[in-house]
Amino acid sequence: EPEVTQTPSHQVTQMGQEVILRCVPISNHLYFYWYRQILGQKVEFLVSFYNNEISEKSEIFDDQFSVERPDGSNFTLKIRSTKLEDSAMYFCASSVGEAGELFFGEGSRLTVL
Amino acid sequence: GQNIDQPTEMTATEGAIVQINCTYQTSGFNGLFWYQQHAGEAPTFLSYNVLDGLEEKGRFSSFLSRSKGYSYLLLKELQMKDSASYLCAARSYNTDKLIFGTGTRLQVFP
Repeated sequence: EPEVTQTPSHQVTQMGQEVILRCVPISNHLYFYWYRQILGQKVEFLVSFYNNEISEKSEIFDDQFSVERPDGSNFTLKIRSTKLEDSAMYFCASSVGEAGELFFGEGSRLTVL
Repeated sequence: GQNIDQPTEMTATEGAIVQINCTYQTSGFNGLFWYQQHAGEAPTFLSYNVLDGLEEKGRFSSFLSRSKGYSYLLLKELQMKDSASYLCAARSYNTDKLIFGTGTRLQVFP
């Protein structure tokens, strides 16, 4: 069964460092998302991406964040200068259409020290 | 804006039936989703309702009332492996994102 894959599964970084989280969405999906979940809290929307551009972003997704689809398969989230409060599980998701269900990857746990 | 409310925690006994409620307030409602999330894992899709009524899928069913802004997830013949968080999420028109509630943590006891 096709699945969304994410790397790394866990990353520990120092405050102020840049982090890139990688995702390979399901191959025939057209809509891509990043969500995050701080430990014990709800899943929060960060950004959606369609047709090689951001379609929507939340207030959380400030100038420190960026997304890119560098080739036909990868979808990346970059945090330029990490803060302690960026520590969370980051989930990539994809859907075949804008009305379809989201399929989530296993997540990348980011720990900022 | 959007607001989604669901109970924080519920407990039930193996073999029983449990109903997890969700109320939502969203402009331009365009679908209600239920996801299951085991601790430390990704959310996995359970069900989707966009029209009023009941959608049944094996042991799990989901109900939607658009006029009341209300949905529930019904789990029958509970198993220990059903212990997880159940996330209610809504989508609005003119957007493809899902907005999630805080989730209901269900504990199933023998």
